Amino acid sequence: KAGVTQTPRYLIKTRGQQVTLSCSPISGHRSVSWYQQTPGQGLQFLFEYFSETQRNKGNFPGRFSGRQFSNSRSEMNVSTLELGDSALYLCASRRGDTTDTQYFGPGTRLTVL
Amino acid sequence: DAKTTQPNSMESNEEEPVHLPCNHSTISGTDYIHWYRQLPSQGPEYVIHGLTSNVNNRMASLAIAEDRKSSTLILHRATLRDAAVYYCIRLDYNQGGKLIFGQGTELSVKP
Repeated sequence: KAGVTQTPRYLIKTRGQQVTLSCSPISGHRSVSWYQQTPGQGLQFLFEYFSETQRNKGNFPGRFSGRQFSNSRSEMNVSTLELGDSALYLCASRRGDTTDTQYFGPGTRLTVL
Repeated sequence: DAKTTQPNSMESNEEEPVHLPCNHSTISGTDYIHWYRQLPSQGPEYVIHGLTSNVNNRMASLAIAEDRKSSTLILHRATLRDAAVYYCIRLDYNQGGKLIFGQGTELSVKP
């Protein structure tokens, strides 16, 4: 069974631009969560989507948004990029129940100049 | 969100057991303890998880203290491929099962 895939793997943007990241979950998984990883803050939860609805949300500004499609693929959007948004963005999928194991993708490395 | 506490780094010799400790003194009764590891330039990889009882799988064992305020991940025979950052994570059941990561332990394995 194929794992979680994320595209693109690397991205360079400038301040003020916006960016869209994509995540394809493991087949049969209906939940997709997004996490941000930075050297200073570590891994932090952004939000989770389940059956096309946001089910849970972390403490990030409204510039960070997401959506999920009917095939469970998910996208994350960051508008008006700031230097501090430079990070590894990881998505994780699970079948759907709260205690199901989450499986992570390789991440998208975003650099904001 | 209350986070777990782990040593920043640990060293081990190849083919010896490794015990990675974790403190989670504020854990609630419904929070699971998960362990993931992360290699450079990769996403975290699931290792093991548990709620109250000790758990074993092909990768590792997880020993959870009776009061659930601490746990230990046990790698029975460390290999060079086990060198990674190991995260002890609280799965917050009351917040939809989101994973609350601590700072992790960087494990180095010497041949």
